[in-house]
Amino acid sequence: GEDVEQSLFLSVREGDSSVINCTYTDSSSTYLYWYKQEPGAGLQLLTYIFSNMDMKQDQRLTVLLNKKDKHLSLRIADTQTGDSAIYFCAESIGEPGRRALTFGSGTRLQVQP
Amino acid sequence: DGGITQSPKYLFRKEGQNVTLSCEQNLNHDAMYWYRQDPGQGLRLIYYSQIVNDFQKGDIAEGYSVSREKKESFPLTVTSAQKNPTAFYLCASSPLPGGEAFFGQGTRLTVV
Repeated sequence: GEDVEQSLFLSVREGDSSVINCTYTDSSSTYLYWYKQEPGAGLQLLTYIFSNMDMKQDQRLTVLLNKKDKHLSLRIADTQTGDSAIYFCAESIGEPGRRALTFGSGTRLQVQP
Repeated sequence: DGGITQSPKYLFRKEGQNVTLSCEQNLNHDAMYWYRQDPGQGLRLIYYSQIVNDFQKGDIAEGYSVSREKKESFPLTVTSAQKNPTAFYLCASSPLPGGEAFFGQGTRLTVV
């Protein structure tokens, strides 16, 4: 996870927007991903963005990509208590045909009622 | 249902013993991966395989071994050489190398 950096913790009130930030290193990553992990479970893909896009919106989720700064963010509108989880960003790195996802350390989102 | 299955969910091992974690997928994915997760840390790549009978070391392969004899299966063996094996282990698969990964529910290994 050293190649992908995230802040460790975010606390918001129910109904507010949450913004989770991530910086990555490999400018050749074609896709960048956001995953959600609930306690004791595997990771669930939330959304992804193609590297030639600046923004992608999917219901309450908005992903912003700044390729120049290698910065990725995930905005959750109208955050609910069910959104409390750990959120990971991931990039694909490695040689062509031998790539794997590298994950950040995860941001724990706590939603206060 | 299509998906990726890890078993067992919880596993206890005595020090000095090898143990094998199972991972099976019926998604017809070529690529499979093993990650390790420690509390407060992200996922670290142990091994990955892009095709049957071929696999590569990830960032923390020491003390682990894998095999990929079938497309559907990618078992991970935690050997006695792994100095600190207690962790949460996640298996994943993807249709293409480095593409969107689908995860199993994880196996929590505890060394007693």
